[in-house]
Amino acid sequence: DAGVIQSPRHEVTEMGQEVTLRCKPISGHNSLFWYRQTMMRGLELLIYFNNNVPIDDSGMPEDRFSAKMPNASFSTLKIQPSEPRDSAVYFCASGAPVSGNTIYFGEGSWLTVV
Amino acid sequence: SQQGEEDPQALSIQEGENATMNCSYKTSINNLQWYRQNSGRGLVHLILIRSNEREKHSGRLRVTLDTSKKSSSLLITASRAADTASYFCATDAYGNEKLTFGTGTRLTIIP
Repeated sequence: DAGVIQSPRHEVTEMGQEVTLRCKPISGHNSLFWYRQTMMRGLELLIYFNNNVPIDDSGMPEDRFSAKMPNASFSTLKIQPSEPRDSAVYFCASGAPVSGNTIYFGEGSWLTVV
Repeated sequence: SQQGEEDPQALSIQEGENATMNCSYKTSINNLQWYRQNSGRGLVHLILIRSNEREKHSGRLRVTLDTSKKSSSLLITASRAADTASYFCATDAYGNEKLTFGTGTRLTIIP
């Protein structure tokens, strides 16, 4: 199994630009999570989907952030416009009932907004 | 918001010694899990303990759970240099698959 695949792995962008992060969950997993990790705030859950439907987006910082899951094998997290305080590592993770509540993380997308 | 708080924030020990990390949480849980994160990598699941369990073992790992104190501990025995990483606890509530992570303990094993 290829695991959770995220792209890009690293991105440096200028303030005000749109950023799109992509995630391919593990095949057969029906839950997908987006987390953000920073030194100051640790690991924060932004949003999670179940069967492609957003279940809890209470962690999404503000309207500049949006997430979609058009099908079971793809999700995006978009930031528009980006700001320097959005600089962080963004992780996607997926899970399935057969794995209990264990989730499997991708390697993360390292975002720097200058 | 953080559900769990790990203690200590950082721990350095000699290779071969045992490492103990603690996690405290605030609300009732269904499961508690521990994850490891190597520098620059994603988190990897280590072990899960259910709310009706008190202790669980997996290889060199031992996890305890005290729901009355809302706390858990992770013991790594006979530590190795490869155990150097950050360790996080994560909790979920009944009927909710949302996992909330703690602040993490940074463990350094000195060869």
